[in-house]
Amino acid sequence: KAGVTQTPRYLIKTRGQQVTLSCSPISGHRSVSWYQQTPGQGLQFLFEYFSETQRNKGNFPGRFSGRQFSNSRSEMNVSTLELGDSALYLCASSGRTQGTGELFFGEGSRLTVL
Amino acid sequence: LAKITQPISMDSYEGQEVNITCSHNNIATNDYITWYQQFPSQGPRFIIQGYKTKVTNEVASLFIPADRKSSTLSLPRVSLSDTAVYYCHVGFQSGNTPLVFGKGTRLSVIA
Repeated sequence: KAGVTQTPRYLIKTRGQQVTLSCSPISGHRSVSWYQQTPGQGLQFLFEYFSETQRNKGNFPGRFSGRQFSNSRSEMNVSTLELGDSALYLCASSGRTQGTGELFFGEGSRLTVL
Repeated sequence: LAKITQPISMDSYEGQEVNITCSHNNIATNDYITWYQQFPSQGPRFIIQGYKTKVTNEVASLFIPADRKSSTLSLPRVSLSDTAVYYCHVGFQSGNTPLVFGKGTRLSVIA
């Protein structure tokens, strides 16, 4: 079956703009989580959605937000972009309702802020 | 919230066994330990998961001592294609705690 799909793969924005990234999970998966990856910082958890509800949130400012639709597709939005927001943004889906299921990652959206 | 520490980098020769240790002193009772492998320009990929003692699959083993404050990923007889970044992950999808990853260990396998 198809894997996790993230769009766009690459994008360039300027400071102060906003950006929306999209994630389509594996069919049947209801949990979608988002991560920011930068050199030296590894994978930092942004938030997790399950059945259209945010049930977990990492330590990021309010400029970072997300949502999940009824078909489990998820979007994340970053407003008022800063240079430090340049990163690879990864989403992952899981088929487990609870407990630790295997996370299936997409290939990421690489954001460059100029 | 689990604080995760793992070595930044490791080197190994082909054919050797590689052990990567992850420290997670304040692991919670419900937390599982999972390891992921990431190649450049790709998302991380699941390797192995465990809760306690030892788990083995076709690619790796995971050793977890009784106190569960650390874990060791063991890769037998590594090859050049095992050159990647390995992430230790501690968490439990319950809606109460964020999913925490270590900063990753860059493994370089040398011929």
